[in-house]
Amino acid sequence: AQSVTQLGSHVSVSEGALVLLRCNYSSSVPPYLFWYVQYPNQGLQLLLKYTTGATLVKGINGFEAEFKKSETSFHLTKPSAHMSDAAEYFCAVSDPPNFGNEKLTFGTGTRLTIIP
Amino acid sequence: SAVISQKPSRDICQRGTSLTIQCQVDSQVTMMFWYRQQPGQSLTLIATANQGSEATYESGFVIDKFPISRPNLTFSTLTVSNLSPEDSSIYLCSVGGGPEPGELFFGEGSRLTVL
Repeated sequence: AQSVTQLGSHVSVSEGALVLLRCNYSSSVPPYLFWYVQYPNQGLQLLLKYTTGATLVKGINGFEAEFKKSETSFHLTKPSAHMSDAAEYFCAVSDPPNFGNEKLTFGTGTRLTIIP
Repeated sequence: SAVISQKPSRDICQRGTSLTIQCQVDSQVTMMFWYRQQPGQSLTLIATANQGSEATYESGFVIDKFPISRPNLTFSTLTVSNLSPEDSSIYLCSVGGGPEPGELFFGEGSRLTVL
């Protein structure tokens, strides 16, 4: 069974500082990995994804994440935080097509607060 | 991309009653997904709704408690029946959005509070 662990339910960073949101997963096969963002009173939207190929993936709003198979991690980073980045971030995992379980399994989320 | 509208956006209900949530998509989609987002917890898939067939429920969710309708390719409803305070959650409708599984578009959610 798949699982996703997000370390830190709340993270606060100063505006302009590095953002690092941690995600570790467990999966029996090389997974597909996703980060979703949920702004206040809105639905989730896809931030970025890793399926195959380059392990460093770039998403919207300057975010990127690196798939590290040896560490079973997919941490989300942004070099310089902006006030508009304040939101809840969810890491999610699914099996690749034809591996039997393509449903998304979500982590518990990390609420990011930006300090002016 | 897909635009998803959910109604109601929020509601307060008495225990023992039921609430029906509507989900409207601006394009035809094969599968629609209903998720529950409990306070402080991750999103949990309730069921997958296919047009023209019964919904497929995940472990721990049953049709009697969460009946789903899918009358056409752009619309679905989720009913939460016999409400209890434990049903207080955000309920989210989603559809597939991209070439890969896991790429989903979500509605804004329906926040339910049960008194």
